[in-house]
Amino acid sequence: EVQLVESGGGLVQPGGSLRLSCAASGFTFSDFTMNWVRQAPGKGLEWISYIGTSGSPIYYADSVKGRFTISRDNAKSSLYLQMDSLRAEDTAVYYCARGTFYWGQGTLVTVSS
Amino acid sequence: DIVMTQTPLSLSVTPGQPASISCKSSQSLLHSDGRTYLCWYLQKPGQPPQLLIHEVSSRFSGVSDRFSGSGSGTDFTLKISRVEAEDVGVYYCMQNIQIPRTFGQGTRVEIK
Repeated sequence: EVQLVESGGGLVQPGGSLRLSCAASGFTFSDFTMNWVRQAPGKGLEWISYIGTSGSPIYYADSVKGRFTISRDNAKSSLYLQMDSLRAEDTAVYYCARGTFYWGQGTLVTVSS
Repeated sequence: DIVMTQTPLSLSVTPGQPASISCKSSQSLLHSDGRTYLCWYLQKPGQPPQLLIHEVSSRFSGVSDRFSGSGSGTDFTLKISRVEAEDVGVYYCMQNIQIPRTFGQGTRVEIK
């Protein structure tokens, strides 16, 4: 069974940093591209980043480019999102997704003073 | 960026009746490989989105055959043949032909 479990969310002050992790199981992680998608409270879905199977190519939404960094460790079947210079508008549930098919349960990031 | 426009934004349906959601893209989603990259998701209350349909009309594993997708180019439709209580939630279309991936605004479906 495919499982994606996000962790690392929490409350952080504006300008702060947070690192999200996504632990994958039930499939050969290195065979699949991965994405991060977020959803602000009460809002729709926003794709924010993509990473290829071997760590490239990498793409970002304009809203996070230069502040967020996606990475993966295929040996650990894990996906990461380093989030720096966080803003109030980054408050959202962050989902990792295997391609377009499988999504995790999400982790909540709240940026507030 | 490709803009995805869904209509209607909300739908109230009597159980057992059909429902239909439209999704229009600002550019063709037909790839040079011959495939059309349009997905449909359902987000049930308090849950992450779950894939219903990929490549316009291919039902994902375990998805009820009450759900069907159709369309081509820039115009797409999700149909529910007979709405059930478990179909309540927000439906999103998404294009995955181009980066950035973009979603429709979502269509909230409720039961009358």
